Amino acid sequence: KAGVTQTPRYLIKTRGQQVTLSCSPISGHRSVSWYQQTPGQGLQFLFEYFSETQRNKGNFPGRFSGRQFSNSRSEMNVSTLELGDSALYLCASSLGSSFAEAFFGQGTRLTVV
Amino acid sequence: KQEVTQIPAALSVPEGENLVLNCSFTDSAIYNLQWFRQDPGKGLTSLLLIQSSQREQTSGRLNASLDKSSGRSTLYIAASQPGDSATYLCAVPSGGSYIPTFGRGTSLIVHP
Repeated sequence: KAGVTQTPRYLIKTRGQQVTLSCSPISGHRSVSWYQQTPGQGLQFLFEYFSETQRNKGNFPGRFSGRQFSNSRSEMNVSTLELGDSALYLCASSLGSSFAEAFFGQGTRLTVV
Repeated sequence: KQEVTQIPAALSVPEGENLVLNCSFTDSAIYNLQWFRQDPGKGLTSLLLIQSSQREQTSGRLNASLDKSSGRSTLYIAASQPGDSATYLCAVPSGGSYIPTFGRGTSLIVHP
């Protein structure tokens, strides 16, 4: 059974650009959540999608957005990148709403220069 | 707002030692508490999940306890091995929701 797949694994972008990250959940999982991990702030919840609807949202500016497709794959987009957006972005998938049942991907390392 | 603190922030021990990692949280109205392991630059792997009605959970050399009333959990690692070297994070849901709040983690190095 394939795990959660995040692409790309590494990304370098210039300040002011935008970026799109992709997450393919475990087959059958309908919930995808996204997290940002930085040395300064630790691991923080961004948002969660379930059946193509955003169900929960963390405390991040509107530059951070996401969506989920009918096949449960999810993308997150960050517009007008700032140096502080450099981070490891993790996604997790689960069957239902319980975070306790979530499986994490390997993450996308974004570097903004 | 839920706040989660993990102590110590870092730990370096020789192989074979028994270890205790601590996690404290401010809002005791939680559904559960979960311990994760994270290898450098990688995702999280769930180690143990303790439901709010439970006092402890065990998996192999790992034992996690939960004391809701005092807002504390401990992760006990028996007979540590170099392969246990990683960062250990605890997470608790926030404000009655399922959204997790993570601690900053304990970075563990077990040297041969």
